[in-house]
Amino acid sequence: NAGVTQTPKFQVLKTGQSMTLQCAQDMNHEYMSWYRQDPGMGLRLIHYSVGAGITDQGEVPNGYNVSRSTTEDFPLRLLSAAPSQTSVYFCASSYRGRITDTQYFGPGTRLTVL
Amino acid sequence: ILNVEQSPQSLHVQEGDSTNFTCSFPSSNFYALHWYRWETAKSPEALFVMTLNGDEKKKGRISATLNTKEGYSYLYIKGSQPEDSATYLCAFIWNNAGNMLTFGGGTRLMVKP
Repeated sequence: NAGVTQTPKFQVLKTGQSMTLQCAQDMNHEYMSWYRQDPGMGLRLIHYSVGAGITDQGEVPNGYNVSRSTTEDFPLRLLSAAPSQTSVYFCASSYRGRITDTQYFGPGTRLTVL
Repeated sequence: ILNVEQSPQSLHVQEGDSTNFTCSFPSSNFYALHWYRWETAKSPEALFVMTLNGDEKKKGRISATLNTKEGYSYLYIKGSQPEDSATYLCAFIWNNAGNMLTFGGGTRLMVKP
């Protein structure tokens, strides 16, 4: 199993540009989520999905959209990039998102918005 | 927004030292606490899942305890080794569905040989 994969690993955008961060998992996990990690702060939940066709907002959803058309894929879209969105983005999945299901994390995407 | 705090933020110890650090969380709405180990340039990996007050978990030289009434968990490392150098994260799960996690800021442990 490849686990959780993310592309790209690095990305530089200009303010106002849009892009999609890709996330895929091959473990047949129902629950997938996106986090951002900023210096001095913990991982903060952006959006999550409990299954195909179902998404919901986390702690910091503004400026991001998600969709879940398949169990495997959970892309994160930046609609109009802003410097405040410079961060490292992690995708994670868990079996069903139950309280005892641990998260499996992808390798991260480092995004810089100029 | 829930407040999950980890202390200290960073810790330098010598090889062979035993060490411990703390994750503090709201004592209400507790469902579970997860501990993760995050090595530089890698992804976080799960260490422990803790759900019951008084839980104690152990994996090799690493162990954890949980006090849900007072809202804290301790992570202990006995006889630290350089390969234990990593950031240790706790995640507080505050809804029964398990889909809302709030992470602490992490404790960065550096073990000098």
